Amino acid sequence: DQQVKQNSPSLSVQEGRISILNCDYTNSMFDYFLWYKKYPAEGPTFLISISSIKDKNEDGRFTVFLNKSAKHLSLHIVPSQPGDSAVYFCAARATGNQFYFGTGTSLTVIP
Amino acid sequence: DAMVIQNPRYQVTQFGKPVTLSCSQTLNHNVMYWYQQKSSQAPKLLFHYYDKDFNNEADTPDNFQSRRPNTSFCFLDIRSPGLGDAAMYLCATSRDTLAGALGDTQYFGPGTRLTVL
Repeated sequence: DQQVKQNSPSLSVQEGRISILNCDYTNSMFDYFLWYKKYPAEGPTFLISISSIKDKNEDGRFTVFLNKSAKHLSLHIVPSQPGDSAVYFCAARATGNQFYFGTGTSLTVIP
Repeated sequence: DAMVIQNPRYQVTQFGKPVTLSCSQTLNHNVMYWYQQKSSQAPKLLFHYYDKDFNNEADTPDNFQSRRPNTSFCFLDIRSPGLGDAAMYLCATSRDTLAGALGDTQYFGPGTRLTVL
């Protein structure tokens, strides 16, 4: 039972444009959400997070939005750069320190 | 400097032959996790240690065991690997479990890709 879903396996965006990666979840008890970025042959690296009590968190070119009523999370990258090309995982934390991951979205930023 | 190290990066074992994957960390974090990630699937948490306390996920098969002899090291033992256990195994650490504060996150190793023949 997939509690965190990333329905788009891939996304292509032109350099300089906005990339929007989406994530849906089913468990209303999740209290913390994270985005990870993964390059080939490397482990995921933390990108940005948001607590369930917030609806937006911004860090440079990266902004995460949380819509609790819709159980929806999105990551905006503006402007997109070729170095942003990677697989992006959405993750959510339940009580007891259990993290649930989505299947990932492969982002390609075209120069 | 590597913070979470996994050895080996690639492991080949035979069906039914026990195998051990290792993970070490230089972060002095309290929590260590093991995830299994199969192709095109989400990383799935197998278990985690908070210090010496072991926390097993309900659906983790008994075939998978873990040991944490000290803060820095954690091992994943697969007692009788089956073909379905071929996957990438990711180790991760975090400073603490309950904070939930922004920035409290997991640090991942590069993973060990397990092949079962």
